[in-house]
Amino acid sequence: DAMVIQNPRYQVTQFGKPVTLSCSQTLNHNVMYWYQQKSSQAPKLLFHYYDKDFNNEADTPDNFQSRRPNTSFCFLDIRSPGLGDAAMYLCATSRTDSSYEQYFGPGTRLTVT
Amino acid sequence: AQSVAQPEDQVNVAEGNPLTVKCTYSVSGNPYLFWYVQYPNRGLQFLLKYITGDNLVKGSYGFEAEFNKSQTSFHLKKPSALVSDSALYFCAVRDGAGNNRKLIWGLGTSLAVNP
Repeated sequence: DAMVIQNPRYQVTQFGKPVTLSCSQTLNHNVMYWYQQKSSQAPKLLFHYYDKDFNNEADTPDNFQSRRPNTSFCFLDIRSPGLGDAAMYLCATSRTDSSYEQYFGPGTRLTVT
Repeated sequence: AQSVAQPEDQVNVAEGNPLTVKCTYSVSGNPYLFWYVQYPNRGLQFLLKYITGDNLVKGSYGFEAEFNKSQTSFHLKKPSALVSDSALYFCAVRDGAGNNRKLIWGLGTSLAVNP
């Protein structure tokens, strides 16, 4: 089945130690998104890619970066995680047209110790 | 400015009763409206959307929603609630003008269906 996969599902890192979260998709969608979600709040968009075109949200901290080496894969890098970065990180994809829904992965829950 | 409001943090309903989860929106152009559901420790799942056409849209798991342009609302409904419907529900909107790829999210409504 076509889907959005996130690895790992649970990640524990130490304060200040870089961490990378990964997302892959078999839907062949042009657009990929990274969201941060804290304790049942609304998802907060960090950035998105339209193909290789990177779009950063104005309030996304510089500590968060992303790479999209090809259509299928997208990575979220947190350079120096702080305690406040502990959250669920959600990857989503969609087709180009804005009428299309987003398809979400299961998320990676990040714990910072 | 675009916005979405979900006026109820929590909705409680008895199993078998009809349920409604409310959503109102504000966009400058034509709205593209979406409902998503999130079960504990899971990603979001798409339920249904309104783009154009019939104001009543049907989606997954027996859910439906009615687009009301005059009231700028898009309430989620189900005729008979199940305990398994207990989850967090998010309404989202995208301004249909241009090729806007970002969703504006409501704060979510926690639905509890009691046996």
